[in-house]
Amino acid sequence: DAGVTQSPTHLIKTRGQQVTLRCSPKSGHDTVSWYQQALGQGPQFIFQYYEEEERQRGNFPDRFSGHQFPNYSSELNVNALLLGDSALYLCASSLFGRGDTGELFFGEGSRLTVL
Amino acid sequence: DQQVKQNSPSLSVQEGRISILNCDYTNSMFDYFLWYKKYPAEGPTFLISISSIKDKNEDGRFTVFLNKSAKHLSLHIVPSQPGDSAVYFCAASASIYNQGGKLIFGQGTELSVKP
Repeated sequence: DAGVTQSPTHLIKTRGQQVTLRCSPKSGHDTVSWYQQALGQGPQFIFQYYEEEERQRGNFPDRFSGHQFPNYSSELNVNALLLGDSALYLCASSLFGRGDTGELFFGEGSRLTVL
Repeated sequence: DQQVKQNSPSLSVQEGRISILNCDYTNSMFDYFLWYKKYPAEGPTFLISISSIKDKNEDGRFTVFLNKSAKHLSLHIVPSQPGDSAVYFCAASASIYNQGGKLIFGQGTELSVKP
């Protein structure tokens, strides 16, 4: 049973560029949430996708956007990259409505470095 | 505005002794609290949780205590083992705002259990 898988694991971009990160949820899950974890900090909620729609959003600018596909996989897009966007981006999956009671499963993350 | 705080960035404990990790929160709407454990190069994994209607929850060597009046929770690990060495994140959610998947994390405490 595959868990949450993310790609790429590491990438380096320069300021102003755009990046796309990908996530496949755990088998049987229908909801994907994205988190940003800066160095020395805890994960911060970016947004959540269910039924191909953004359902909740954290305090992140519009440069951060996402998409969910019919197979429940998801992408996170960040435009006009800033140095401060350097972080570990974590994807988490769950069944809709069940992710806040310990049934949220995380991938290993995509480490983005912006130069 | 840090709604969930872990004021100790690190903790060192001898194998076999008790580890106590602390967490404070400010939002009285939080009604579910979780602890996640993170090893390097891995995503966070769920450890234990507690609902706001309880004041204690046990799972093997792990016990979480909740003091709602003080807005404080703690994780006790007894006995501590070297394999417990990891970063521990406290997280909280508010079902009234939430459709699942949106957790507010603390900054983490790095636990080191020495043989």
